Amino acid sequence: DIQMTQSPSSLSASVGDRVTLTCRASQSFSRYLTWYQHKPGEAPKLLIYSTSSLQSGVPSRFSGSGSGTDFTLTISSLQPEDFATYYCQQSYSFGGGTTVELK
Amino acid sequence: EVQLVQSGAEVKKPGESLKISCKASGYSFTTYWIGWVRQMPGKGLEWMGIIYPSDSDTEYSPSFQGQVTISADKSISTAYLQWSSLKASDTAMYYCARRRGPTAAYYFDFWGQGTLITVSS
Repeated sequence: DIQMTQSPSSLSASVGDRVTLTCRASQSFSRYLTWYQHKPGEAPKLLIYSTSSLQSGVPSRFSGSGSGTDFTLTISSLQPEDFATYYCQQSYSFGGGTTVELK
Repeated sequence: EVQLVQSGAEVKKPGESLKISCKASGYSFTTYWIGWVRQMPGKGLEWMGIIYPSDSDTEYSPSFQGQVTISADKSISTAYLQWSSLKASDTAMYYCARRRGPTAAYYFDFWGQGTLITVSS
């Protein structure tokens, strides 16, 4: 089974910061990766699919990249509504999540 | 508008059975896989399994195989997640979600609101 490892597990940042989250697969299974945003009390929200495709309605400050086993989600300028937990997913595995907190 | 509406929160005792539902609307129910995802308190997301409502083909994560049953009733566009004997460790939020994309590149594009299951004696 593929294992997805996200780093860091949490980070503190300020509004306006550029933030990069990392997801690593235990093996090179697919060149495609998905990112979700999850806020307490809400359903997870699809942000990025197929590694770099922005889901409709998602702000362009979110972007995804990567290949092989290493993938990244970048938020170019953190906004107040972006403080949440972010999960990567490939095939049947989710990463453990990265929580973005206000510094 | 695509919507997945899940059944309400449940409080059950260990050993009891339970079936929760996920009603789909706004799209052709039989042409997309539906998955179930668990989130235990304070923990991350876990992929449980998926079902193709057209023919009820199912796939389970090894961690959940034999622990739960996923089914669907295409006549009412509803997917189900079922336990025959609940344990305290089943206490969690459970989400259903619609799957899109091919096997190597799939993702969940629409999610239900979640069903909170509490198992306590």
